[in-house]
Amino acid sequence: QVQLQESGPGLVKPSQTLSLACNVSGGSISNGDSYWSWIRQLPGRGLEWIGYIHYSGGTYYKPSLKSRLTMSVHTTKNQFSLQLSSVTAADSAVYYCARESVHYDSDGESHWYFDLWGRGTLVTVSS
Amino acid sequence: EIVLTQSPATLSLSPGERATLSCRASQSVSTYLAWYQQKPGQAPRLLIYDASIRATGIPGRFSGSGSGTDFTLTISRLEPEDFAVYFCHQRGNWPETFGQGTKVEIK
Repeated sequence: QVQLQESGPGLVKPSQTLSLACNVSGGSISNGDSYWSWIRQLPGRGLEWIGYIHYSGGTYYKPSLKSRLTMSVHTTKNQFSLQLSSVTAADSAVYYCARESVHYDSDGESHWYFDLWGRGTLVTVSS
Repeated sequence: EIVLTQSPATLSLSPGERATLSCRASQSVSTYLAWYQQKPGQAPRLLIYDASIRATGIPGRFSGSGSGTDFTLTISRLEPEDFAVYFCHQRGNWPETFGQGTKVEIK
């Protein structure tokens, strides 16, 4: 079955760039019915949607993070990535990659939801 | 950005009891609301989508209701494995947002 696995440094210095990758195994990233997402969980327990990318390269970023955010898709590696620049301690979180996909019911109605998540990776911003 | 406010923050109940969790949106999200369950050290798991449709494999004791700005997740009889944190998520207005979560703990 399709699985997602995040990878990247667990410690990033303030003002530097946080870089994470999400490897997609057991299925193709080139699925037109899916958006490949990044979500983070801030200390406490809140979840924050960061943005997503389509395999075609189309991106949608959370407006408050847009100026610092770059997402890329690497179809030959079956992988997508996140870069968040100028990080501060407020960016410390568990970062999840996830798949948001459309599913059609027996009436042909479409339903979108996050149907697949990675296990998450903890990123701490500290000097 | 739509703010999802979940209440209560913590719900202390005993196995077998009924749990009622609320999620209120700052603006209408129609029925584009989902509920996820998260256990410690695990990724969230989809329970309910489009406000009231149970995801594949989710037990019948979980039900969702609501539309517009007010939504409810009900667990009819709590099983030991149901003690976890529950999040609501909306995709009715961009950008997508999540609630802060309700922790269901053993009393």
